[in-house]
Amino acid sequence: NAGVMQNPRHLVRRRGQEARLRCSPMKGHSHVYWYRQLPEEGLKFMVYLQKENIIDESGMPKERFSAEFPKEGPSILRIQQVVRGDSAAYFCASSPRSVRDSANEQFFGPGTRLTVL
Amino acid sequence: AQSVAQPEDQVNVAEGNPLTVKCTYSVSGNPYLFWYVQYPNRGLQFLLKYITGDNLVKGSYGFEAEFNKSQTSFHLKKPSALVSDSALYFCAVRAGPNNAGNMLTFGGGTRLMVKP
Repeated sequence: NAGVMQNPRHLVRRRGQEARLRCSPMKGHSHVYWYRQLPEEGLKFMVYLQKENIIDESGMPKERFSAEFPKEGPSILRIQQVVRGDSAAYFCASSPRSVRDSANEQFFGPGTRLTVL
Repeated sequence: AQSVAQPEDQVNVAEGNPLTVKCTYSVSGNPYLFWYVQYPNRGLQFLLKYITGDNLVKGSYGFEAEFNKSQTSFHLKKPSALVSDSALYFCAVRAGPNNAGNMLTFGGGTRLMVKP
């Protein structure tokens, strides 16, 4: 069973460009979470999605950031008009979810390291 | 709001000695508590979790953690440290059960350095 997949692993963008980060959850997982990690800091929650639905986006910046998890294909975190402060590691996690399994841990991908020049 | 504190930025221990990485939390209701480890340039790997039941939880690689409700703590421990345990450790919490958001709140991380 393959783990959570993220690509690209490293992404370099110039200020003003767009960054697209992709996440494929573990097989059988229908819940995806995006976190951001600044250097030497903990992970900060950004958004929680189920297939075709955004459940909680309380951690997402109000502008330039968006996320989706379509019926088919990976989840996408999109950052428009990137700025140097967007440089960070972006981690995706997935979990199965049911009332019975609500205590399941989240499984993390290897992350995408975004560098904005 | 839920929060996690890891009061030590770094913990140094000699190989073979016991180690403790501290974590305290704040959450409404019963907590679900997790420890993850991160190696350089890698994602987070799950170590262990406390959901309910015995306060002492055993996890991967010989690690264990003790849930203390009165002190709102969930310290990570290992009886005998290995050099290969050197990594960044994160404690996380979320409120449960039936928390619709399932969002994890992480501590700031503690770097564990095990010297030969």
